[in-house]
Amino acid sequence: GQNIDQPTEMTATEGAIVQINCTYQTSGFNGLFWYQQHAGEAPTFLSYNVLDGLEEKGRFSSFLSRSKGYSYLLLKELQMKDSASYLCAVPYNTDKLIFGTGTRLQVFP
Amino acid sequence: ETGVTQTPRHLVMGMTNKKSLKCEQHLGHNAMYWYKQSAKKPLELMFVYNFKEQTENNSVPSRFSPECPNSSHLFLHLHTLQPEDSALYLCASSQEAVASGSDEQFFGPGTRLTVL
Repeated sequence: GQNIDQPTEMTATEGAIVQINCTYQTSGFNGLFWYQQHAGEAPTFLSYNVLDGLEEKGRFSSFLSRSKGYSYLLLKELQMKDSASYLCAVPYNTDKLIFGTGTRLQVFP
Repeated sequence: ETGVTQTPRHLVMGMTNKKSLKCEQHLGHNAMYWYKQSAKKPLELMFVYNFKEQTENNSVPSRFSPECPNSSHLFLHLHTLQPEDSALYLCASSQEAVASGSDEQFFGPGTRLTVL
């Protein structure tokens, strides 16, 4: 079966760095997605990893270790607008995405 | 209009009502999805349509009935719902229904449904 685990909530300070972890168990692996969802809004795509290693995209980076079933999203130079839920998702059966419960990040001044 | 739009944004209905949710995508995509998002639960996939054909019904009760008349429009017909069906219903689209590869899904703003 498919299973995804993420911390429920995290807090951080403006300007700091935060790492949001995601562990997954899937039968077969077809990559891992990170989405951002602000309260009351639609999820928006952040990143996709299919190979091991770190992929950097501006202030956000995403890391994947397939052997460990582990990914993290790294947010640098945190801003107040980064307060949101961060959803980890993995595809299965070619046409479905399984989402984790999401990690709600609160950034304080 | 750009992206994925959904109407209505908010809906309150009684358990005996019949209503429909509408989703439209302006991205030229071929796959569309319905998700349910309840408080403190993961996004749950309900239905997948690829090139207007339903490819997934994720054990959804028959009181939810999807319709995809063309690749740009997706409906979710609702009847005799239960209070536990109250949730945010999100529509999404992607180029094709292939979740592998970097085929990201684009989400609409959702319909906040309350069943009384």
